[in-house]
Amino acid sequence: KNEVEQSPQNLTAQEGEFITINCSYSVGISALHWLQQHPGGGIVSLFMLSSGKKKHGRLIATINIQEKHSSLHITASHPRDSAVYICAVRRETSGSRLTFGEGTQLTVNP
Amino acid sequence: NAGVTQTPKFRILKIGQSMTLQCTQDMNHNYMYWYRQDPGMGLKLIYYSVGAGITDKGEVPNGYNVSRSTTEDFPLRLELAAPSQTSVYFCASSYSNDVDTQYFGPGTRLTVL
Repeated sequence: KNEVEQSPQNLTAQEGEFITINCSYSVGISALHWLQQHPGGGIVSLFMLSSGKKKHGRLIATINIQEKHSSLHITASHPRDSAVYICAVRRETSGSRLTFGEGTQLTVNP
Repeated sequence: NAGVTQTPKFRILKIGQSMTLQCTQDMNHNYMYWYRQDPGMGLKLIYYSVGAGITDKGEVPNGYNVSRSTTEDFPLRLELAAPSQTSVYFCASSYSNDVDTQYFGPGTRLTVL
């Protein structure tokens, strides 16, 4: 079993829909990252969080440390949100190194 | 700032050939990382460095070598290329390990035939 599990693996939505991507992990962590991988392959960091909730534009990330679970929400989705969304955790015992989930492929249709 | 740059963008190697993937960052980051991404799999850490002159193995170091002679550069060396090394390689950097996010390069797509 992977230490970081994402669901769903694939998600198709209509423009304007509210989207949720989930991440569960099985190890103690010091931080959790959400990243976005564009269709061209580039990877950008969206959020890093260790507790609570963060918001940036239409993106919201939450984390529940006790339940070892995080969610990434996209409000009013748009076709340009189509990408792979990756959850990664920094384990308490691994310094700066990240352990990655396999990613969620999101497609938003117009 | 150019951020993290990688060269080449694409490369095809024959089995047994060697090559160096270049990675440079201009953000004065202490920490640098090399990852590989295989289809349908999460990114895997190959090697990382916490500063010039210091490198350490990640999850999948076999078949690779690194060096860190300067803060800016972190090249990845493949000595005897094998088909199993066909992958997309990403370099990343961060200022520290505590609160900083990682910044990724554009990736190098390597095929070994």
